[in-house]
Amino acid sequence: TQLLEQSPQFLSIQEGENLTVYCNSSSVFSSLQWYRQEPGEGPVLLVTVVTGGEVKKLKRLTFQFGDARKDSSLHITAAQPGDTGLYLCAGARAGGTSYGKLTFGQGTILTVHP
Amino acid sequence: EAQVTQNPRYLITVTGKKLTVTCSQNMNHEYMSWYRQDPGLGLRQIYYSMNVEVTDKGDVPEGYKVSRKEKRNFPLILESPSPNQTSLYFCASSRHTGMNTEAFFGQGTRLTVV
Repeated sequence: TQLLEQSPQFLSIQEGENLTVYCNSSSVFSSLQWYRQEPGEGPVLLVTVVTGGEVKKLKRLTFQFGDARKDSSLHITAAQPGDTGLYLCAGARAGGTSYGKLTFGQGTILTVHP
Repeated sequence: EAQVTQNPRYLITVTGKKLTVTCSQNMNHEYMSWYRQDPGLGLRQIYYSMNVEVTDKGDVPEGYKVSRKEKRNFPLILESPSPNQTSLYFCASSRHTGMNTEAFFGQGTRLTVV
């Protein structure tokens, strides 16, 4: 059962365009992370959002956590070829036997063409 | 430098030949995990460990074993590998602060079982 649905799975755009990646779930998470993974490497943490409604900005990247802490989005403004990679969202639950467990979405492969 | 180191990076083996993938972290994290990454499925947790001598099954534990004799090491053991275990494997160690879980990943081990 995929608890985190990430969309789209593939995104191919031109340099300078804007894009949004979505991460949706029917479950509530205590926090949600976004990772970026390049070929031949492990995922690297970009940001963590914890509070419902929270918005975080990282240069041209804007991350939002839904009010109910069930969904999140990643928006990239004026995409650049260097943004190319696999983007993964991951939800964490606190407490009980799920403490510390991360559930990952399927990932979004982003290709930005010069 | 804070890091998670896994070895080997690449491994080709034959069905039934026992193998071990090592993982070591230098961040003194209590929580460590193993994931496999397959196209379209994202990262799926195989096993995790909340501390020394404390391990538990993740979402896809069949065919795998782990041990946690020391805090820094968390090897993944395939007693009798089969072709459906051909995958990209990642070890991760996690930091927990309050409601927040952040994972740090190794560079991955690409395993092919023929």
